[in-house]
Amino acid sequence: NAGVTQTPKFRVLKTGQSMTLLCAQDMNHEYMYWYRQDPGMGLRLIHYSVGEGTTAKGEVPDGYNVSRLKKQNFLLGLESAAPSQTSVYFCASSPRDHRTFFGQGTRLTVV
Amino acid sequence: AQSVTQLGSHVSVSEGALVLLRCNYSSSVPPYLFWYVQYPNQGLQLLLKYTSAATLVKGINGFEAEFKKSETSFHLTKPSAHMSDAAEYFCAVSDERGSTLGRLYFGRGTQLTVWP
Repeated sequence: NAGVTQTPKFRVLKTGQSMTLLCAQDMNHEYMYWYRQDPGMGLRLIHYSVGEGTTAKGEVPDGYNVSRLKKQNFLLGLESAAPSQTSVYFCASSPRDHRTFFGQGTRLTVV
Repeated sequence: AQSVTQLGSHVSVSEGALVLLRCNYSSSVPPYLFWYVQYPNQGLQLLLKYTSAATLVKGINGFEAEFKKSETSFHLTKPSAHMSDAAEYFCAVSDERGSTLGRLYFGRGTQLTVWP
């Protein structure tokens, strides 16, 4: 049982490049989330999904897009990366009981 | 919007001493409250969760937290610190009651250092 799996674990992008972060969960959870973690800021919600085919904005959605074509997958896209998007990104999922399970994180650096 | 304030970005204790990490929340009704722990280069792990069943919540690794509505607080404690407790701790609040969605709003975190 892998839980929540994120790929890649590390990535360096040049300003203006695009990329997609992949998240997969094998717990059949309805809800999935993308957070970013910055030093001294805690985690902030970027986007979330309440089910297959649905997405919604969180606290800091600008510059990101998401898709949830399958229940088990939640993709986070950066169309034109900026240095301000240098961060550690965490995917998470939860069932309908408020227990949230986190992936191991993706460390992204934009130069 | 819900918010969480963690008092003290760094806390240092000696091994065997009491651990107290402070958290205050802002919500119109008592929300769900959580404490998570993050070890270096890892994801977040749930320590404990408050859902109103009991005001004193026991979690893993000997940690517990007490919900105090009058003080809007949910402080985390452990009677005797261990070296392995050194990590960053996050207090979080979830959506208001009536929703099963688990959007979390985090505090800024408290780094716990344990001295031998």
